[in-house]
Amino acid sequence: QKEVEQNSGPLSVPEGAIASLNCTYSDRGSQSFFWYRQYSGKSPELIMFIYSNGDKEDGRFTAQLNKASQYVSLLIRDSQPSDSATYLCAVRMSSFGNEKLTFGTGTRLTIIP
Amino acid sequence: EPEVTQTPSHQVTQMGQEVILRCVPISNHLYFYWYRQILGQKVEFLVSFYNNEISEKSEIFDDQFSVERPDGSNFTLKIRSTKLEDSAMYFCASSPGADTQYFGPGTRLTVL
Repeated sequence: QKEVEQNSGPLSVPEGAIASLNCTYSDRGSQSFFWYRQYSGKSPELIMFIYSNGDKEDGRFTAQLNKASQYVSLLIRDSQPSDSATYLCAVRMSSFGNEKLTFGTGTRLTIIP
Repeated sequence: EPEVTQTPSHQVTQMGQEVILRCVPISNHLYFYWYRQILGQKVEFLVSFYNNEISEKSEIFDDQFSVERPDGSNFTLKIRSTKLEDSAMYFCASSPGADTQYFGPGTRLTVL
C-alpha cells in the first residue's frame, strides 16, 4: 500500500516565526510532490510543487525534497494568522496512466497572534 | 484567473437515488479528475480521465460510479444508487498535462 504520512498536529506557531511541515512517502517511484492548503470546509489550494532534490522557494514558502530519505517538507517564513489551515502533502508517480495524487491526512497549523 | 467550477455546491439525496455532480474544468486543460473527502478524513482519488476515456480508477470507483464528458466543457460524475457511505465532499480537478492539479470548490453530497 503506497502511503503518504504527515503529523496530524495541531502545530501551533507564533506569528512571525517559521512553520515547518513534514511529510514522508513510501513509494520510491514517486516523482512529483505537492503541497496544498485547505481551509475548513474548502477545497485544496495548490501552494507549491517540487520535482527535484533540494530546495524550491516561492515567496514565504520553501519546499524541500530528499528522495533518498523519501521526505518532503514545507517551510513557511514570517507566519501570518491567515496561514492557519490544514496543509496537505500529495505525491504522484510519473508513469503514464498514473496521474493520481495520493494525499496525506494533513497537518493542522495554527498561527498564534 | 481561470478556475474549476462545480455544481451544485450541496446536494441532498435519498439512499438509492441517482445523483450527477457537474464540473467545468479549466478550458485548456487535458486531464480531469474526481476525488472525494469524507468528513475528517483524507482526500481520496476516484478516477482520472484523459482523451475521452478513463485512464485510472481506484477501488472506490466501482460499477455504481461513472464519468462522462458530454460536451467540450462539462465533466460529470454519476453515482447510480447512492449509499449512506457516499456522503462526502466531491472535488473535481483538472491539469494542463500530467502534472499540477487544480481543484474546484467541491460538492457536498449528503445521502439520507
